[in-house]
Amino acid sequence: AQKITQTQPGMFVQEKEAVTLDCTYDTSDPSYGLFWYKQPSSGEMIFLIYQGSYDQQNATEGRYSLNFQKARKSANLVISASQLGDSAMYFCAMRETNTGTASKLTFGTGTRLQVTL
Amino acid sequence: GAGVSQTPSNKVTEKGKYVELRCDPISGHTALYWYRQSLGQGPEFLIYFQGTGAADDSGLPNDRFFAVRPEGSVSTLKIQRTERGDSAVYLCASSSAGDTQYFGPGTRLTVL
Repeated sequence: AQKITQTQPGMFVQEKEAVTLDCTYDTSDPSYGLFWYKQPSSGEMIFLIYQGSYDQQNATEGRYSLNFQKARKSANLVISASQLGDSAMYFCAMRETNTGTASKLTFGTGTRLQVTL
Repeated sequence: GAGVSQTPSNKVTEKGKYVELRCDPISGHTALYWYRQSLGQGPEFLIYFQGTGAADDSGLPNDRFFAVRPEGSVSTLKIQRTERGDSAVYLCASSSAGDTQYFGPGTRLTVL
């Protein structure tokens, strides 16, 4: 069963606008972590933001925020004030332990974001 | 400080040959991970090390794939009798225990 689902293969957003990239997940583990990574055309995976399953507040990192809705099992990434440099692939990933224990990440298929003028 | 480094950045080999891919993690990171990313897909987990030992190798596709981390730092992913289906980008990541995984630039493997 697919554990991370990203239903938007591609998205367009105008510069300076906000955009939401969708991610839903499936797990029976009560302790887990959710991540978003950016992969520009250069290929390197760049960590953006993390949300733990027990975190009370939605995570924010600069222009990135994570809209975490636990009951719906969704962890959407919101990018505010989009910039041309935000054009890239974005991957949602889950780790099925929360903190303190190393564990593999399971990735979605990604969303390609294109920022236009 | 230096990030995760991987060598070579590109490797072209012929079907049936043996290849080694190297990963140098962030200094002090105890956990090291290998993933494989095929074109148009997200990375898929292969194996991870906690220190010198493989803590989870459930993602290795078959016994042609093997990885080592003899001194708990640098790791080598070894692929025997390469097949065309092994062509992909091989990504390495490291973390401090259960913290965020930081990725290297990857090795693009092409099997002709």
